[in-house]
Amino acid sequence: EIVLTQSPGTLSLSPGERATLSCRASQSVSLNYLAWYQQKPGQAPRLLIYDASSRATGIPDRFRGSGSGTDFTLTISRLEPEDFAVYYCHQYGNSPGTFGQGTKVEIK
Amino acid sequence: QEQLMQSGAEVKKPGASVKVSCKASGYTFTGYYIHWVRQAPGQGLENMGWINPHSGDTKIVQRFQGRVIMTRDTSTSTAYMELSRLTSDDTAVYYCGRSPIAAAEIDPWGQGTLVTVSS
Repeated sequence: EIVLTQSPGTLSLSPGERATLSCRASQSVSLNYLAWYQQKPGQAPRLLIYDASSRATGIPDRFRGSGSGTDFTLTISRLEPEDFAVYYCHQYGNSPGTFGQGTKVEIK
Repeated sequence: QEQLMQSGAEVKKPGASVKVSCKASGYTFTGYYIHWVRQAPGQGLENMGWINPHSGDTKIVQRFQGRVIMTRDTSTSTAYMELSRLTSDDTAVYYCGRSPIAAAEIDPWGQGTLVTVSS
């Protein structure tokens, strides 16, 4: 199965700053079938990005997904207070689907 | 709106089984796959597998094969995940989620069901 490695483990930033999260796959993700989710404490994950770069319904355009093959990036252009959370990548192009271990974006 | 509502928290003893339900509303239940994903306390997300509510076909991730059964009741638009031979390592929040096909993003997710395994 594909192993997804997210970096960094924790990102300490201030509101208004840019966040860059990485997700690296152990082998190429078929059809770039990769999603990003946001999870806040006590809540279920929320879909942000699918197919590597498509924003889900209602997701602000400050969230941008990019990448292909084995290297993917989630960029949050200007952090809002509600963006501080844990972010997971998920590949669903190769069975079984797998998740990264998460990146926590915390307030500096 | 499309929604998945899960059953309440459970406390089980080691060796027992637990059955978690996931009731769909706001969409055609048989038109979408249901995935099950768990999250141990303070840990990341772990894929368990999926069920196709239309056919009843399932795909269980290898490490859970022999311990997980996924079923559905189309008359009530409810999917079920039963996990047997519980150990303390199975203590986690169990989520269901929807996808349009097997290989797709998961959206939306249920609210989660906490299963605690303790003697």
